[in-house]
Amino acid sequence: SAVISQKSSRDICQRGTSLTIQCQVDSQVTMMFWYRQQPGQSLTLIATANQGSEATYESGFVIDKFPISRPNLTFSTLTVSNLSPEDSSIYLCSVTPPDLPTYEQYFGPGTRLTVT
Amino acid sequence: SQQGEEDPQALSIQEGENATMNCSYKTSINNLQWYRQNSGRGLVHLILIRSNEREKHSGRLRVTLDTSKKSSSLLITASRAADTASYFCATVKNRDDKIIFGKGTRLHILP
Repeated sequence: SAVISQKSSRDICQRGTSLTIQCQVDSQVTMMFWYRQQPGQSLTLIATANQGSEATYESGFVIDKFPISRPNLTFSTLTVSNLSPEDSSIYLCSVTPPDLPTYEQYFGPGTRLTVT
Repeated sequence: SQQGEEDPQALSIQEGENATMNCSYKTSINNLQWYRQNSGRGLVHLILIRSNEREKHSGRLRVTLDTSKKSSSLLITASRAADTASYFCATVKNRDDKIIFGKGTRLHILP
């Protein structure tokens, strides 16, 4: 298994600003993912964070709005840019340890973003 | 879409009773997983059942899978206050595919 931490469990931001969320893992992992969970909804995959290359975004999500960095095998950041109230959600990162299939994911505690 | 749909959307039961949640999905799958989420926080993986399995147990949890009906159920026996949470089913179509989450069932255990 892997222990995942996300810096700041809760953030309140003003519209038009940006928020960067960090995800730190206690061991090297192959795959890291970012999800969004809108209020009362399920989780939706935003992108797969690829180490050393650009993230792979899902339909409906673009790099300009959700830039992602993954400088090494234990760390990734998700930025939510030009915030609007519609961006109020919980953002979660997850990881897949080496040698496991992609569907075996461990989730971080999530960051609850409120945009005012 | 292969997204799972849980029912009921919300469930309230007395402590000690059994809770049953159902999940239906639309396409063939490699496996189906159940997760728990407490108070809108991180997800905890509960159990994974593969497409060639029909039933799986883990402690007070029992999961069934009926691939002919494209449905699964999660049974929590002898419920406790700490079981109050949202429960999500999630399907995986192929081995290295994405996890697709359902909308969840909000379970509330009454004292």
